[in-house]
Amino acid sequence: SQTIHQWPATLVQPVGSPLSLECTVEGTSNPNLYWYRQAAGRGLQLLFYSVGIGQISSEVPQNLSASRPQDRQFILSSKKLLLSDSGFYLCALAGARGELFFGEGSRLTVL
Amino acid sequence: GENVEQHPSTLSVQEGDSAVIKCTYSDSASNYFPWYKQELGKRPQLIIDIRSNVGEKKDQRIAVTLNKTAKHFSLHITETQPEDSAVYFCAASTLRVRGNQFYFGTGTSLTVIP
Repeated sequence: SQTIHQWPATLVQPVGSPLSLECTVEGTSNPNLYWYRQAAGRGLQLLFYSVGIGQISSEVPQNLSASRPQDRQFILSSKKLLLSDSGFYLCALAGARGELFFGEGSRLTVL
Repeated sequence: GENVEQHPSTLSVQEGDSAVIKCTYSDSASNYFPWYKQELGKRPQLIIDIRSNVGEKKDQRIAVTLNKTAKHFSLHITETQPEDSAVYFCAASTLRVRGNQFYFGTGTSLTVIP
């Protein structure tokens, strides 16, 4: 079955510092992968999605970027974090029937 | 693009009563409508979904209905229990071979009072 691994699970970073969140998936090949952000008490905002290696689509302008260096690896990065980047970051993949499954998330606090 | 609206934003029910959450969508091309349950501090979990060729789907105490003409779909939870307390999200998607996009509602915080 498909599994999604995200790390780190939690992190606290100062404003202006860089960020790297990693997502890897198992049990599937050539998946559609997604990064969502959820601010405290809010809904799910799509940040990026990828249909294959090196293919990234951005949904909203921001100081974040995403990369897909391998088929089952999806990375979310920032060169300089803002306070507004705080939130719960969720990696997701689309299953064989089109369903969306989420990883356990990375909780980021920017101070 | 697709716009999904969800109501109500908060809902309190007595244990054993039913809960109904409603969503509307704007893009007639949307053909897949999942519902997610998110407990505090955890990831959203898929609880039920429906495709546009079906009007209703049921799984034990949970059911979803879809009205394609009116572009709305609803989640029904019967005989609610305290463990049903969570935030529920609806979503709309157009299933493609590649590049499905999912558009989420803003969520409903359900509290089941024992």
